[in-house]
Amino acid sequence: EAEVAQSPRYKITEKSQAVAFWCDPISGHATLYWYRQILGQGPELLVQFQDESVVDDSQLPKDRFSAERLKGVDSTLKIQPAELGDSAMYLCASGGQVGYGYTFGSGTRLTVV
Amino acid sequence: KNEVEQSPQNLTAQEGEFITINCSYSVGISALHWLQQHPGGGIVSLFMLSSGKKKHGRLIATINIQEKHSSLHITASHPRDSAVYICAVYSGGGADGLTFGKGTHLIIQP
Repeated sequence: EAEVAQSPRYKITEKSQAVAFWCDPISGHATLYWYRQILGQGPELLVQFQDESVVDDSQLPKDRFSAERLKGVDSTLKIQPAELGDSAMYLCASGGQVGYGYTFGSGTRLTVV
Repeated sequence: KNEVEQSPQNLTAQEGEFITINCSYSVGISALHWLQQHPGGGIVSLFMLSSGKKKHGRLIATINIQEKHSSLHITASHPRDSAVYICAVYSGGGADGLTFGKGTHLIIQP
């Protein structure tokens, strides 16, 4: 069964360091999402891509976060510098049609110390 | 912006009990998702609903569009059903992701 691949599965980094997460969506899925889930809360959208273009990054803290999806396939989310409050699960999801048929990756658990 | 409320926030039940988790939202939607998340794990999509009712194994999901309300039912609950169940809605428009509820933490005791 097709799946959304994310790596790394876990990441521990020191405050002020740079960290990057990678997501490989299901082949053919044009829409890719990055979500952040703080412990005990539902996920919140950080950025949405349609192919290689950013559709919505209104909730992305652009002073430290960046996201790219070169060639409209896999995607990288970067944080520089990391802060203690960035500790969370970072989830990637892809879909063939906006709003429907989401498939989520297993997520990257980030701990900033 | 759509507001998604789930109840209860926490639920502990005995194996075999019938479980109901509720979700209500404030603005009309195009689709509603029920998701399952095990501790420390990623999210698995259980159902996507636009109307009516869907059933998969022991899981049943219903939605009432007029009342802006959905329920997830688990029949003959089992300890392996212990997880966080999250309701998420898609309001349409193309440029928005899902809006998520905070989740219901379910524990099924043997």
